[in-house]
Amino acid sequence: AQSVTQLDSHVSVSEGTPVLLRCNYSSSYSPSLFWYVQHPNKGLQLLLKYTSAATLVKGINGFEAEFKKSETSFHLTKPSAHMSDAAEYFCVVSDLGGGSYIPTFGRGTSLIVHP
Amino acid sequence: EPEVTQTPSHQVTQMGQEVILRCVPISNHLYFYWYRQILGQKVEFLVSFYNNEISEKSEIFDDQFSVERPDGSNFTLKIRSTKLEDSAMYFCASSEELAGTYNEQFFGPGTRLTVL
Repeated sequence: AQSVTQLDSHVSVSEGTPVLLRCNYSSSYSPSLFWYVQHPNKGLQLLLKYTSAATLVKGINGFEAEFKKSETSFHLTKPSAHMSDAAEYFCVVSDLGGGSYIPTFGRGTSLIVHP
Repeated sequence: EPEVTQTPSHQVTQMGQEVILRCVPISNHLYFYWYRQILGQKVEFLVSFYNNEISEKSEIFDDQFSVERPDGSNFTLKIRSTKLEDSAMYFCASSEELAGTYNEQFFGPGTRLTVL
């Protein structure tokens, strides 16, 4: 069984300050983890993914995430927020448990960026 | 850049009516998916489709739902007799290969279904 918890429903930052969006997961197998972003009236876009290679994963638009097995976490970070980063962010886990690849989505974190 | 498209962007229907949500996946993709997101809740997997048949489906995808690839470009989700609880945002996605541990799904912008 797999699950994912996004610890914050909303995160508010000022432009130019660091971003931290938290995600914890539960998996019975070796998971793959993803972060997706959704801008208003747009589809979900893949930011980055962890697939059992390097634990520090770099994605698009300056985002990165670190897989920490001991903490069962996959937090998303960015050193300096831009106004264009304001969007909904989803953490997703998929572990092929039982031969099923069905991914599990977190509830989403809304990132608000103030000028 | 190729993208997944969905129509309509918003569908309003009366309870008990049939609705068809349409998607055009990326042209060279082989796997197709539907997800839904009830307002304020998680994105939930509904069904995956490959080679003209359902590969996998969730408990949500009951007999009221069906999917079809009627031609070489469209992928549709039909709800036979809509219920109030079917109101949600429905996302279509496609991937080159089977999505899961290594393969990226490309999502459409969604269709907001409102059942009155």
